[in-house]
Amino acid sequence: GAGVSQSPSNKVTEKGKDVELRCDPISGHTALYWYRQSLGQGLEFLIYFQGNSAPDKSGLPSDRFSAERTGGSVSTLTIQRTQQEDSAVYLCASSLGGTGSYNEQFFGPGTRLTVL
Amino acid sequence: GNSVTQMEGPVTLSEEAFLTINCTYTATGYPSLFWYVQYPGEGLQLLLKATKADDKGSNKGFEATYRKETTSFHLEKGSVQVSDSAVYFCALIPTGFQKLVFGTGTRLLVSP
Repeated sequence: GAGVSQSPSNKVTEKGKDVELRCDPISGHTALYWYRQSLGQGLEFLIYFQGNSAPDKSGLPSDRFSAERTGGSVSTLTIQRTQQEDSAVYLCASSLGGTGSYNEQFFGPGTRLTVL
Repeated sequence: GNSVTQMEGPVTLSEEAFLTINCTYTATGYPSLFWYVQYPGEGLQLLLKATKADDKGSNKGFEATYRKETTSFHLEKGSVQVSDSAVYFCALIPTGFQKLVFGTGTRLLVSP
C-alpha cells in the first residue's frame, strides 16, 4: 500500500514569503506528526495530531508556524514570513494512533525547504 | 527534560567488523526507546525498539538492550555489511507523550 507522501519534495522561496507544506498520511492512520531536520538542530518534533485536533504543539518554534488537519487525513504545515533559519527538511509521519501504547511512526520522504 | 545523546560520527568500519553505536538518554519515568535508520536518499525507518527495562530489540542482525540502570540503549551488530552504511538515530518517546525525541545521529560508513 501507499506510504506517507509529502509535497512538494523541494521548495525554494524568498525570505518573507509564506509557504505551505502538505502531508498525506497512510490511510487509516489517525495520528500524524510533523518534525524538521536541520543541520544546526538535528531532528526536532513540531506538532502531533490525533484526528483533527493537536494535543501537542509544543515544538512549533514561533507563531509564524501553524498546522491544520482536515477530515482526519491530510495535514498542511504553514510557515508565514519565512526566515533563512527556517531552511530544513520537514518530515511528516503517521501512525495508527491512540494513547497508552506505542504505534510505529512511518515517515514520509520529506520536503526540503530553502529560504533565500 | 528529555534528551538523547549518541556518539558522534562518522564511524568507519571494514565489512564484517563488529559495530557498537553508543546511546544514553535522560527522561523521567519509563520511556520507550528506538533506533531509526536513514539510508542514503531514503526516508527514516524504524530499525528496532524496546518498551521496558531489560527488553532487547532486534532486527536485521542489529540488537539493542534497554538498560535502565545505565540509561543506555547501545546499538550492536556482529558483522556489518556495506549495505549497512547509513545514518542511525537513537530516539525515545517520553512517558505520557507521543512525540519522538531524537539524538543527533551517527553516520556509519562500511567499506568492502
